Amino acid sequence: QVHLVQSGAEVKQPGASVKISCRASGYTFTSYSLHWVRQAPGQGLEWMGIINPRDGGTTYPQKFQGRVTLTRDTSTSTFYMELSSLRSEDTAVYYCGRDRSADWGQGTLVTVSS
Amino acid sequence: EIVLTQSPATLSLSPGERATLSCRASQSVTIYLAWYQKKPGQAPRLLIYDASKRATGIPARFSGSGSGTNFTLTISSLEPEDFAVYYCQQRTNLYTFGQGTKVEI
Repeated sequence: QVHLVQSGAEVKQPGASVKISCRASGYTFTSYSLHWVRQAPGQGLEWMGIINPRDGGTTYPQKFQGRVTLTRDTSTSTFYMELSSLRSEDTAVYYCGRDRSADWGQGTLVTVSS
Repeated sequence: EIVLTQSPATLSLSPGERATLSCRASQSVTIYLAWYQKKPGQAPRLLIYDASKRATGIPARFSGSGSGTNFTLTISSLEPEDFAVYYCQQRTNLYTFGQGTKVEI
């Protein structure tokens, strides 16, 4: 059974960075790319990027280029999403999701507040 | 960037009724369009991929159709658990979501 387990909630100050993890199990880690998506309060879903676990290759939408970094650790089957220069508008629930599948993490709430 | 426009923004229906949701793309996405259901506090749930293929475990009352720039998600007979927000997503040019359609009682 596939599981994507995300790290816990974070509270950050404006200007700081946050790094969220997504630990995968139940499948071959390198076989599926992984997406990151977020949902701010009262807003829709927003795609933040995708990483290929075989070679670490990443693709980001223009909005997040330079501010989001996706990485992976093949030794622990864990993906990471780091978002820098946080502002209040980054307050959201962040989800990881396996490409071409219905498997998602449980979500991580990031609150940006002074 | 491909923009997806969903309509209507809100659909007010009763259990047992048919729901028809629309998603229009700013340029052709061929068949590479998916539909997700989103409820508060839950992860997105994949319903339909490649325009018309039901994801594993999705009831037959959910169906998708369309190609190119116009797509439809149909829920043939609404169950109480179907009241939620629905998003379309394309994967032809990067990935983008529509703004969502809320299906409410």
